[in-house]
Amino acid sequence: GAVVSQHPSRVICKSGTSVKIECRSLDFQATTMFWYRQFPKQSLMLMATSNEGSKATYEQGVEKDKFLINHASLTLSTLTVTSAHPEDSSFYICSARVRKNEQYFGPGTRLTVT
Amino acid sequence: GQQLNQSPQSMFIQEGEDVSMNCTSSSIFNTWLWYKQDPGEGPVLLIALYKAGELTSNGRLTAQFGITRKDSFLNISASIPSDVGIYFCAGQETGTASKLTFGTGTRLQVTL
Repeated sequence: GAVVSQHPSRVICKSGTSVKIECRSLDFQATTMFWYRQFPKQSLMLMATSNEGSKATYEQGVEKDKFLINHASLTLSTLTVTSAHPEDSSFYICSARVRKNEQYFGPGTRLTVT
Repeated sequence: GQQLNQSPQSMFIQEGEDVSMNCTSSSIFNTWLWYKQDPGEGPVLLIALYKAGELTSNGRLTAQFGITRKDSFLNISASIPSDVGIYFCAGQETGTASKLTFGTGTRLQVTL
């Protein structure tokens, strides 16, 4: 149980375009999902907390107008990187809170902006 | 944001050896989690700890929640090649809802 999927696994886009990443809980309902960013050889940095049916809570320094998060159902949260630039290239990982404070992670999405 | 101090940063060990790594914080945590991440993948939850002093095992892995609530350690016994990867601790501070703070990671390499 507690399987989280992400789509796409890899995406390459041109600078200035927008990219949407989906995060799905496959066998459970997730009222709370999280979006992280990870640079090579670094740890995970929380970007935002996504709550079903309400606005996402962004961490300090994360631009909410650039990283749009929508959590419209109990099994799906999306992250849209708007007007992407090369510095947005990174590994984006979502997670879902299952019980207590345990988070189960998706396989990640590698974004490359050219 | 805050990161937990994790040590060692990396370690090279021989197959069959035991491994120990730890995580410390300046804040009190009410949850400690240990994850393993393989290259290009998302982290996989190994062990979850919820009480100070709690000692929990998962196969060859054993983790403990420090009694000060500011540290945790993970032991791997009789390491095997598939133990290679990056191990992250993660903690939840009191009063931070369900957000996790991640450690800096320990890169483990196992030689035959």
